[in-house]
Amino acid sequence: DVKVTQSSRYLVKRTGEKVFLECVQDMDHENMFWYRQDPGLGLRLIYFSYDVKMKEKGDIPEGYSVSREKKERFSLILESASTNQTSMYLCASRSGSGANVLTFGAGSRLTVL
Amino acid sequence: AQSVTQPDIHITVSEGASLELRCNYSYGATPYLFWYVQSPGQGLQLLLKYFSGDTLVQGIKGFEAEFKRSQSSFNLRKPSVHWSDAAEYFCAVGEGTGANNLFFGTGTRLTVIP
Repeated sequence: DVKVTQSSRYLVKRTGEKVFLECVQDMDHENMFWYRQDPGLGLRLIYFSYDVKMKEKGDIPEGYSVSREKKERFSLILESASTNQTSMYLCASRSGSGANVLTFGAGSRLTVL
Repeated sequence: AQSVTQPDIHITVSEGASLELRCNYSYGATPYLFWYVQSPGQGLQLLLKYFSGDTLVQGIKGFEAEFKRSQSSFNLRKPSVHWSDAAEYFCAVGEGTGANNLFFGTGTRLTVIP
């Protein structure tokens, strides 16, 4: 089975701090995604990457950046965290070919004080 | 633009009762449709998917869903709910095998009472 691992399950940060959320997948998937999940809003795509060093903006990229230096790792960066970025962040990966089926990590719950 | 509507925010059913969770989508072409389940504190797990062919699809954990093009619906069903089915359920629509995004509904939270 594909495993997508988000190393930080719970984080508490202060406003203005730089925050790194890490995601690693172990099945050589080309595509990786970062979603934000908020009650009543479902999942919204922040950024995705279809190859190493390649990235594209999703629906809500403002306030976020990403890094993909290695195929297996996709990092989400909050340059200066704000309270409205308190949320659950979900990483997902998918093979570049075949079915459009995402495999999700367990999520990182970020609280910004 | 694609969109997904899950009209029920919260549903409560008794254990052993049948379940139907509603999902309506808006998409111009033939959609790729998915149901995911999220247990508390966990990520999303794929329950089932529809790409083409038979409009009644079977998934894991005894779930099934039926694609009805005329109604733009993809409702999820289970004949007998178990307490372990309590979770949040998300319907999603995608553009196809090469698409880079899925559009998710806002989710339906299922509570199961003994």
